[in-house]
Amino acid sequence: AQKVTQAQTEISVVEKEDVTLDCVYETRDTTYYLFWYKQPPSGELVFLIRRNSFDEQNEISGRYSWNFQKSTSSFNFTITASQVVDSAVYFCALTYYRGSTLGRLYFGRGTQLTVWP
Amino acid sequence: EAQVTQNPRYLITVTGKKLTVTCSQNMNHEYMSWYRQDPGLGLRQIYYSMNVEVTDKGDVPEGYKVSRKEKRNFPLILESPSPNQTSLYFCASSGGQSNQPQHFGDGTRLSIL
Repeated sequence: AQKVTQAQTEISVVEKEDVTLDCVYETRDTTYYLFWYKQPPSGELVFLIRRNSFDEQNEISGRYSWNFQKSTSSFNFTITASQVVDSAVYFCALTYYRGSTLGRLYFGRGTQLTVWP
Repeated sequence: EAQVTQNPRYLITVTGKKLTVTCSQNMNHEYMSWYRQDPGLGLRQIYYSMNVEVTDKGDVPEGYKVSRKEKRNFPLILESPSPNQTSLYFCASSGGQSNQPQHFGDGTRLSIL
């Protein structure tokens, strides 16, 4: 079975602090993909990053970075020097790939990040 | 512009009155799906479709119907809405490969009184 756990329901930080959002996943598939989505107060879902199970390189995009560790089944997301505009709900998601079959997307319950000025 | 369009964005209605939420995508995607988002539960999949005339149940299909007669459209039908279907609904689409991110519509907020 596939499962994504985001243990942090809510996080509050003050602007310019670094913050890490945790994501732990479960899957029996060897080929799978992990995603992070952002949901700002306006409600839309914004794709942030995709990672496949064969690529454990960390990725950095501006103030955002992602740490993928298969040994601990984790795909954590760090925001450096947080800003008020980073306030949002962040979702981690997992899908698998079996042959030519497209897998379903499984979401964690989300982490509400509030950045105070 | 590549997009997934849902309508309506907001709807308040009463128990038992059939309603349809439309979803249309202009990216020629094979895969489309519906999710509902409830506080503390994240997004849960209702139904999905791999292609035209191919649909399957997600995690919470009870009380919903879907159809996929054309590639671009994937309407969500509530034949007899009930208050426990009050939620925020998202339609999504993606290409035929798992590594492609799903593109989401802007959401439809349904309130069933």
